[in-house]
Amino acid sequence: GAVVSQHPSWVICKSGTSVKIECRSLDFQATTMFWYRQFPKQSLMLMATSNEGSKATYEQGVEKDKFLINHASLTLSTLTVTSAHPEDSSFYICSASTSGRPREQYFGPGTRLTVT
Amino acid sequence: GENVEQHPSTLSVQEGDSAVIKCTYSDSASNYFPWYKQELGKRPQLIIDIRSNVGEKKDQRIAVTLNKTAKHFSLHITETQPEDSAVYFCAASISGNTGKLIFGQGTTLQVKP
Repeated sequence: GAVVSQHPSWVICKSGTSVKIECRSLDFQATTMFWYRQFPKQSLMLMATSNEGSKATYEQGVEKDKFLINHASLTLSTLTVTSAHPEDSSFYICSASTSGRPREQYFGPGTRLTVT
Repeated sequence: GENVEQHPSTLSVQEGDSAVIKCTYSDSASNYFPWYKQELGKRPQLIIDIRSNVGEKKDQRIAVTLNKTAKHFSLHITETQPEDSAVYFCAASISGNTGKLIFGQGTTLQVKP
């Protein structure tokens, strides 16, 4: 139980284009989803918290117009990196939690984004 | 906001020895402290967690201790094995129902056979 998937697992895009990453909870309803960014050999940095049906809450320093988050259903959240630049290249990981056990986060496998 | 400090950044031990990783947190309202193991290019995996109403929790070779007064918690791995080699992250959850986690900087553990 508590499986979270991400798609794609890796993506290469050109500067200036947009990339959408999907995060799905496969066997439970995720009332809250989190998006993290992880640079090589660094920790997970929380980008935003999203609750189903409401606007995401972004962490300080994260541009909400650049990293668009949509949590349209209890099983799907998407992160769109708009007008991507090489410095956006990173490992993006989502996680999900349920209202019943809000503290336990289940992580997706991550998406490796490379912007050329 | 919450801040989590983790030490050491790297740790090398001989197979069979114990490994200890320590974390401190700043927000006294934090009440959930998970530990994750992450292998290269993979997702973080929860290995153990502790809530603020207990001081110690053990699961086979892994144990976590919590000192609320000092605001620090530690991960103890006994009888280390080469497959324990990975990056370990501590985290703290601030109060409230969002479950938002703040992560420590990570510890790269190397277990030498």
